[in-house]
Amino acid sequence: EVQLVESGGGLAQPGGSLRLSCAASGFTFSDYEMNWVRQTPGQGLEWLSNISISGTSTLYADSVKGRFTISRDNAKNSLYLQMNSLRAEDTAVYYCASGDGYFLKWGQGTLVIVSS
Amino acid sequence: DIQMTQSPSTLSASVGDRVRITCRASQNSRSRLAWYQLKPGKAPKLLIYEASNLEGGVPSRFSGSGFGTEFTLTISSLQPDDIAVYYCQQYNTYPWTFGQGTTVEIK
Repeated sequence: EVQLVESGGGLAQPGGSLRLSCAASGFTFSDYEMNWVRQTPGQGLEWLSNISISGTSTLYADSVKGRFTISRDNAKNSLYLQMNSLRAEDTAVYYCASGDGYFLKWGQGTLVIVSS
Repeated sequence: DIQMTQSPSTLSASVGDRVRITCRASQNSRSRLAWYQLKPGKAPKLLIYEASNLEGGVPSRFSGSGFGTEFTLTISSLQPDDIAVYYCQQYNTYPWTFGQGTTVEIK
């Protein structure tokens, strides 16, 4: 069974950092581009970042460019999101999702709350 | 950025009804449009890709149509399990963008 399991969410201070992880199983992780998508209470879904199969090419939404960094470790079947300079508006459920363009499979998400 | 506008925001219908959700793109998105179903506490689920292709395992009562700037998700016979929020998403142009969501309720 295809599974994506996010972890690493929690409470962070404004200006602080968190690192999210996504563990993949049930499919050949190294065959798929991967993404982070978030769901905020008032703003719906927002695509944040994409990483190529090899990890050498990355894309970001303007809202997180320069603050967030996506990476992957194909040997560990894992995807990561390093989040720095966190803001209150980054409060959301963060999902990892496979695919190039549309999102084939999603995890159940991890909640990030940015508050002092 | 391409703005995606869904209507209605909320839809209330009876079991067995035919339900339609519309998604309009602010720019031509060709057929690069997907639909997702979100339920609380569950992983979001891909329903439709390339505007009209049904993802494997998705019930055939779901269908998608459209091209360019106007798209539709249809549920031919609404079932209780279809209670969810539905989102469209364009992937023709970066940044990939979503509609604001349509909540489907049972009347």
